[in-house]
Amino acid sequence: KQEVTQIPAALSVPEGENLVLNCSFTDSAIYNLQWFRQDPGKGLTSLLLIQSSQREQTSGRLNASLDKSSGRSTLYIAASQPGDSATYLCAVLDSSYKLIFGSGTRLLVRP
Amino acid sequence: GAVVSQHPSWVICKSGTSVKIECRSLDFQATTMFWYRQFPKQSLMLMATSNEGSKATYEQGVEKDKFLINHASLTLSTLTVTSAHPEDSSFYICSAVHSGRATEQFFGPGTRLTVL
Repeated sequence: KQEVTQIPAALSVPEGENLVLNCSFTDSAIYNLQWFRQDPGKGLTSLLLIQSSQREQTSGRLNASLDKSSGRSTLYIAASQPGDSATYLCAVLDSSYKLIFGSGTRLLVRP
Repeated sequence: GAVVSQHPSWVICKSGTSVKIECRSLDFQATTMFWYRQFPKQSLMLMATSNEGSKATYEQGVEKDKFLINHASLTLSTLTVTSAHPEDSSFYICSAVHSGRATEQFFGPGTRLTVL
């Protein structure tokens, strides 16, 4: 059974700092991995989607990497801003086309 | 493109009543839609997979008679919470798969259900 773990559960950093969020999954048989952002009480915003054949994806200050063989992904946020404060969710699309979510990392960027 | 809407965005109901939540794909056809539930400070848990024109497939532990799912068209799936109780209070989110892009789900904005 696929399990997705995110570390740390919560993170507080000063504005301007670069940071890394971690995601690990137990079964490497995935179609893709996706990073989402969720603001309190809101739905999901898709940030980056990495296909299983890809190693990384970039969008603006965000860079996500994928090492499928080791079951790991990282989300790198450069020059963090208070507006980046949110919960970041990692999810993998498993072999049965089900999206399995991690428990999330709650990020607070202090001004 | 690939916009998914949900209605209502929030609902408050009395214990014992039924509540229907709609999920619509606005600009694409979705043969498959998914329903998730999210409790406070927890992650999303898949409840069921809804396929157009056929019965939904429920995840283990989800009561199919309590959470009725209907996917009558390629753009609409509904989730009805029957005889709702306070423990059903949660954030319900749907997603839809574009018929031509099976490996990416597009999410609705969610529905906040509060059962008094």
